[in-house]
Parts: sequence; structure tokens; C-alpha cells
Amino acid sequence: GAGVSQSPSNKVTEKGKDVELRCDPISGHTALYWYRQSLGQGLEFLIYFQGNSAPDKSGLPSDRFSAERTGGSVSTLTIQRTQQEDSAVYLCASSLYVSGRAGGGIQYFGAGTRLSVL
Amino acid sequence: QKEVEQDPGPLSVPEGAIVSLNCTYSNSAFQYFMWYRQYSRKGPELLMYTYSSGNKEDGRFTAQVDKSSKYISLFIRDSQPSDSATYLCALNNDYKLSFGAGTTVTVRA
Repeated sequence: GAGVSQSPSNKVTEKGKDVELRCDPISGHTALYWYRQSLGQGLEFLIYFQGNSAPDKSGLPSDRFSAERTGGSVSTLTIQRTQQEDSAVYLCASSLYVSGRAGGGIQYFGAGTRLSVL
Repeated sequence: QKEVEQDPGPLSVPEGAIVSLNCTYSNSAFQYFMWYRQYSRKGPELLMYTYSSGNKEDGRFTAQVDKSSKYISLFIRDSQPSDSATYLCALNNDYKLSFGAGTTVTVRA
């Protein structure tokens, strides 16, 4: 497929467990983003990767959240010791990097991973 | 106060009606204005993208940006049941998108 792929599509876990969410961006897209979509908060930025630059982690809500991007392609978002307030849809997006354009490239989203913490 | 305000609705209209959606924002640094459509259990998909104040038309969709009032709008003409979705405005001046809460629209056949 040509779009952003996320897995799993649904994840149910128990409070206190760790979870890993995966994102496979559109081929050739150097920029990758994670967002969280929850009922009370809407869509919130979590983290941004661009090429080999240091990621912008400013949106991560706590140190239980981390993300990595291997080989400039696939990314994994890890949530340690999950809490009920972590229940949300985690969306990944990717874009081409547009040099000199402050807004970056147009972001294309995956279908998301729906996380439920019991 | 949130950076981007959007009435969550829900909004219900008969088929063929004009749907009017809008967002207001507080950060005058925003330069890029987008509308995304999100179907249930799907990711947001880009509908419209504008950079400057004024109107942009694409088929049945028209996006308007008024930077002086910090107000953006999306109009859907001749609405169809397939337009039933949540519409999110998104704004940015760097790579971080700031989203409105989304407006849920139902077009009744």
C-alpha cells in the first residue's frame, strides 16, 4: 500500500503494562510525526522526526512515553507502565521535508492505533 | 484558552444543503491553514490547504481564510450523505499542526 501503515489497529492492555505501537511511513517521506487523539483533548502533537536530526519530543506528556525511528523509516512509540488516561487513538503521519518552508510538508495520516487501558 | 477553537457540533443537514464550518485561532504566527476530513475509525485525510487570506475552491469545497479576524471557514455545497464525517481544521507555522476539536457532520438522505 502507498499510505501510512500503523499496527496494531487496536490494542487492549492492563494498567501498568508496556505497549509498543508501530508506524510505517509513506516510502520516501523523511518526516514522521506522532499525534494522540482523545475525547477531551482532540488531536495533540507528541513527537517529530526529520531525517538524522534530533527529534522534537516536546509534546510527549510524560517520561513514560518514548519513540524511536530506525533507519529513517519505521517508528515505534512505546508507553511504559500504561495508565487509564493513556487510552486514546495514536495517529502517525508522514510528509516530505520541504526545505525553506516553515510549515513543513503536507502531513498524511495513518488510520491510527486505538489503545484501551483497563 | 485553546489556540484553535472549533464548535464540535454535531451538525445535521439534509442532502443538498450547504454545510458551513469554521474555526477561530489566537496565534497570529499561523501561516498555513488546512481542513481534514475524518471518517469513523479512520485517520484524517487532507481536504483543503491554503496559505494566504482569501478563498480557495476545489469542486464542492470552498475554504476561506481571514487572517485579520483570525477566522477560517469551510463550505460544502450540494452536500451528500458521503460527506458525513468529522471535519478538523489544522493550522501551523512550523511542523507541528494545531487542530481544532473537530465538527461532526451528518448529511441526511
